[in-house]
Amino acid sequence: AQSVTQPDIHITVSEGASLELRCNYSYGATPYLFWYVQSPGQGLQLLLKYFSGDTLVQGIKGFEAEFKRSQSSFNLRKPSVHWSDAAEYFCAVRKMGTYKYIFGTGTRLKVLA
Amino acid sequence: NAGVTQTPKFQVLKTGQSMTLQCAQDMNHEYMSWYRQDPGMGLRLIHYSVGAGITDQGEVPNGYNVSRSTTEDFPLRLLSAAPSQTSVYFCASSSPSWGGVGNEQFFGPGTRLTVL
Repeated sequence: AQSVTQPDIHITVSEGASLELRCNYSYGATPYLFWYVQSPGQGLQLLLKYFSGDTLVQGIKGFEAEFKRSQSSFNLRKPSVHWSDAAEYFCAVRKMGTYKYIFGTGTRLKVLA
Repeated sequence: NAGVTQTPKFQVLKTGQSMTLQCAQDMNHEYMSWYRQDPGMGLRLIHYSVGAGITDQGEVPNGYNVSRSTTEDFPLRLLSAAPSQTSVYFCASSSPSWGGVGNEQFFGPGTRLTVL
């Protein structure tokens, strides 16, 4: 079955530290890949997306993600975390040729001052 | 542009009651979808629509009905609410192109539903 795995349910980092959130997917071919952020009580906002081309993509708020085909991964990174980055982060995929998006279970980020 | 709007923001129902969650978008998007969000389970697709008059089931469609009579509106109906439908519901929309800018989903602010 097609799936998206975010192995870390919770991550805590200190402000100013680097961050990496993991995402793995299982599909036969490379799907469209997305990272969304959800602040408490809010809807989801797109951080970045990958369709093809350069495997390192830049997003908003200083985030970037790297697509690794050999590992079926699309990990999200930020070099220096700010307290305002505390939120829940969702990886999502959409299989080419379909309209169905599959979301991971999310990673909740806590930032220590 | 208001983007994607959802009403109501909060709703409490008794088991067996019916209600409709409203979703509207003003971006002329052909694709619209409904998700439910439950702790530890991420977002799960309930139903989606690729245009007026066209709907299809997602991952968890049981207990929910949808229709799409216009491009702008995509209501979600609960015919007989059950406690298992207590959740936060999100509506989303996007344009249908298969690549490039058009694939981003825009989400509404959500409806928090409690079924007693």
